[in-house]
Amino acid sequence: RKEVEQDPGPFNVPEGATVAFNCTYSNSASQSFFWYRQDCRKEPKLLMSVYSSGNEDGRFTAQLNRASQYISLLIRDSKLSDSATYLCVVNKGDNAGNMLTFGGGTRLMVKP
Amino acid sequence: NAGVTQTPKFRVLKTGQSMTLLCAQDMNHEYMYWYRQDPGMGLRLIHYSVGEGTTAKGEVPDGYNVSRLKKQNFLLGLESAAPSQTSVYFCASSRAGTSRGYTFGSGTRLTVV
Repeated sequence: RKEVEQDPGPFNVPEGATVAFNCTYSNSASQSFFWYRQDCRKEPKLLMSVYSSGNEDGRFTAQLNRASQYISLLIRDSKLSDSATYLCVVNKGDNAGNMLTFGGGTRLMVKP
Repeated sequence: NAGVTQTPKFRVLKTGQSMTLLCAQDMNHEYMYWYRQDPGMGLRLIHYSVGEGTTAKGEVPDGYNVSRLKKQNFLLGLESAAPSQTSVYFCASSRAGTSRGYTFGSGTRLTVV
């Protein structure tokens, strides 16, 4: 089983739609959670951290369910510019520095 | 503030040649990492460093060596390049502490023929 699993997609949605991605993680000791965005042929960039109580940043909402070990990302009112791959990222929860494990990513394509 | 800078951005090597990828960060981060990204495989950790003079193996270290002689620089070496090392290589850095995300460089696209 992969440490962080995501549906690779692609998710094809029209502009203005609401779309949600989930990811599951296997390490119950993980304590830090993130969503990264990666545009085609570019580096991953931090989109938002995910907090236990859930958090929102504009059109983006992240949720964490520790009991079920899954993380979600909700994007409201999708824009063409939201087209990218979204990486679910979880820390290993050990003492070996700040080690993160990256999911394989979910590709989103927003169409006019 | 440049963040994380990788050089070169592109390179084509012949099988058996050697090269060094340079990563430099100006954020005074303690930790630095080298990843490779291949289609369908996601990001895989090659080597990492938790401080100047220290390095450790990641999940796919074979065929690579690293050095961290200065806090701001992390070098990735390929001693004898193989076609299987064709990939996009990303360097990243972070502060100490588990609540911090990484800052990535813009990547090096390496092709081994």
